[in-house]
Amino acid sequence: GNSVTQMEGPVTLSEEAFLTINCTYTATGYPSLFWYVQYPGEGLQLLLKATKADDKGSNKGFEATYRKETTSFHLEKGSVQVSDSAVYFCALSDRDSSYKLIFGSGTRLLVRP
Amino acid sequence: GAVVSQHPSWVICKSGTSVKIECRSLDFQATTMFWYRQFPKQSLMLMATSNEGSKATYEQGVEKDKFLINHASLTLSTLTVTSAHPEDSSFYICSVSLRGPGTEAFFGQGTRLTVV
Repeated sequence: GNSVTQMEGPVTLSEEAFLTINCTYTATGYPSLFWYVQYPGEGLQLLLKATKADDKGSNKGFEATYRKETTSFHLEKGSVQVSDSAVYFCALSDRDSSYKLIFGSGTRLLVRP
Repeated sequence: GAVVSQHPSWVICKSGTSVKIECRSLDFQATTMFWYRQFPKQSLMLMATSNEGSKATYEQGVEKDKFLINHASLTLSTLTVTSAHPEDSSFYICSVSLRGPGTEAFFGQGTRLTVV
């Protein structure tokens, strides 16, 4: 079945550091890929998405590229801020799973001033 | 995008009582809503798919009689935790989405349930 694997956290960085959160997936079809962010005490918000191979999703300085050859969708940001501290979830959906979202385990990011 | 509102944001109840959580799609007619459960520092676990006008579809291992779902209109789904126990304490989140490739889901702000 479909699945998503994320790097374990927590990830602790200093402000302005470079961020990478790894995400790989397993899917039988051609999934759409998403990154969601959850700030403390809140629900999830879509951060970015990509619907086909080589697509790059970007938002708020975050980027992720849909790599079919490596089945990856790594999240990157060149310079993190304290306000980026949150939990980040990689997710996929496709027709084989009736378009239900399948989430990775989440990666907690803590950015220190 | 769709705006999803959950109520209440948090609730404390006594063991053995039932709690109802509402999920409203404010600007979008949702034939399908999803209910998730999230344990501390863990990912979201899909509990069930709520279908307007018909029975919910539960994921394997989720007790139908424990977690009653009603989706009576295109804008409202409710989750009732019946005879709650401390192990039911968790963060419950609903979402709505169109079905189809590349369509994102929109989430409510979540409900933190504490059973004492």
